[in-house]
Amino acid sequence: GAVVSQHPSRVICKSGTSVKIECRSLDFQATTMFWYRQFPKQSLMLMATSNEGSKATYEQGVEKDKFLINHASLTLSTLTVTSAHPEDSSFYICSARTLTPLDNEQFFGPGTRLTVL
Amino acid sequence: AQKITQTQPGMFVQEKEAVTLDCTYDTSDPSYGLFWYKQPSSGEMIFLIYQGSYDQQNATEGRYSLNFQKARKSANLVISASQLGDSAMYFCASWGSAGGTSYGKLTFGQGTILTVHP
Repeated sequence: GAVVSQHPSRVICKSGTSVKIECRSLDFQATTMFWYRQFPKQSLMLMATSNEGSKATYEQGVEKDKFLINHASLTLSTLTVTSAHPEDSSFYICSARTLTPLDNEQFFGPGTRLTVL
Repeated sequence: AQKITQTQPGMFVQEKEAVTLDCTYDTSDPSYGLFWYKQPSSGEMIFLIYQGSYDQQNATEGRYSLNFQKARKSANLVISASQLGDSAMYFCASWGSAGGTSYGKLTFGQGTILTVHP
C-alpha cells in the first residue's frame, strides 16, 4: 500500500530557531501533499496544500512567511517553521494524494511532534 | 464549502458490544466522499472506511460499516464487536468535487474519543 513517512518524528528546539519537517511518499508519486496541524484532543486543521513544482496554497490565517513549504519533487515536501516560538508547539501531519487517486484517498504520514522551549 | 459535525466528544462501550459514532455533513458539492479515520494515542491517522456520494450500498470493511443516509446528510460509523484496541479518537472527514483550491482537500469533524471498557 501507499506509505508516507515523516522526519523527524519528534523535535525539541529553542525559541527563535527554525525547524524543517520532511514528508516523503515512499512507494508512489504524489502531485499534491497537504500539511495539517493538530493540538491535543482537537481536530486536524489544514495549513496548506502543496503541489509539486508550484507555490503552496495556504489556508486563511496561516502565515506564509512563518510556515515555509517546498514541494521540490513528486515524492518530497518540506515544512519549515521559521523562528519558532512556544505557541508553534503542536503535532504536524502531512498527507499525500496519488497521481491517479482511487476514491480520492489521502495517505497520512505518522506525524511530527514539535516542542518549542 | 464542506462542514462536518461530530456531536459526541466522548463515547464509552463495553468490549464485544457494538457502538455507533455520529457524523453529519453539509455540502453543496454535487459529488463528494466521506471518510472515517482512527487516531490512536501514537498520533497516526488510520484509514477505516470510505463512502462515495453515488455509492448505492453502504460501505463495509470488516467490523466497520458506514450507515450512509444521504437525505439526512449523515454518515455514521458502526463498529461491531468492540475490542480494547479500538480505544482511540475517531474522525469523520469529507472530500468535495469543487474545483480550484478546494479540490482534494479534506474537511475534518471535531472528533470523538472512544473508550472501550473490558
